[in-house]
Amino acid sequence: GAGVSQTPSNKVTEKGKYVELRCDPISGHTALYWYRQSLGQGPEFLIYFQGTGAADDSGLPNDRFFAVRPEGSVSTLKIQRTERGDSAVYLCASSPGSGGTQYFGPGTRLLVL
Amino acid sequence: AQSVTQLGSHVSVSEGALVLLRCNYSSSVPPYLFWYVQYPNQGLQLLLKYTTGATLVKGINGFEAEFKKSETSFHLTKPSAHMSDAAEYFCAVNQGAKTSYDKVIFGPGTSLSVIP
Repeated sequence: GAGVSQTPSNKVTEKGKYVELRCDPISGHTALYWYRQSLGQGPEFLIYFQGTGAADDSGLPNDRFFAVRPEGSVSTLKIQRTERGDSAVYLCASSPGSGGTQYFGPGTRLLVL
Repeated sequence: AQSVTQLGSHVSVSEGALVLLRCNYSSSVPPYLFWYVQYPNQGLQLLLKYTTGATLVKGINGFEAEFKKSETSFHLTKPSAHMSDAAEYFCAVNQGAKTSYDKVIFGPGTSLSVIP
């Protein structure tokens, strides 16, 4: 079956612009996670959804970052007024439920110029 | 708070030699522990995980790890390295099903090189 997919695979934007990153989880997975991976570091937790609601958004760095999952499937990570420091690979993962193994997508590589 | 440390940001081994990647964790509750592998330009792939029960866990591609509570360690080993094992390896911890949410904490990663 299909794994987790993320689009776009690469995104280049200018400082101050708005970007949206999309994640399509594995069908039937109720839990969805966003991570950010900076160069040379491990993934850093951003936010976790159980169904449509954000169960834990404690990892979002500031109010420029926002994520939604309106129908409990596809999720969009939104970044306003991008900064050069936002440049990273944004990873999405999904899981059958809380406590389950997380399956990762290939990531979106964001570059803010 | 939970944390993960991985000793050695870069490890080199000869093809056919033992692979040992070190991981130590801190957790206030019994943890779930994971090893993930990341090949260049690919997503993270789960190698193995420990939840409860047997402390020696076998994973894919011949890797295994042993949970040692007294040492708060979860080192990853493979008896004989193969060229295809060259990748970035991440140890991770979460609080598992004891909490109402999952928040996986990753270590900084160890880059494994295999020398022919």
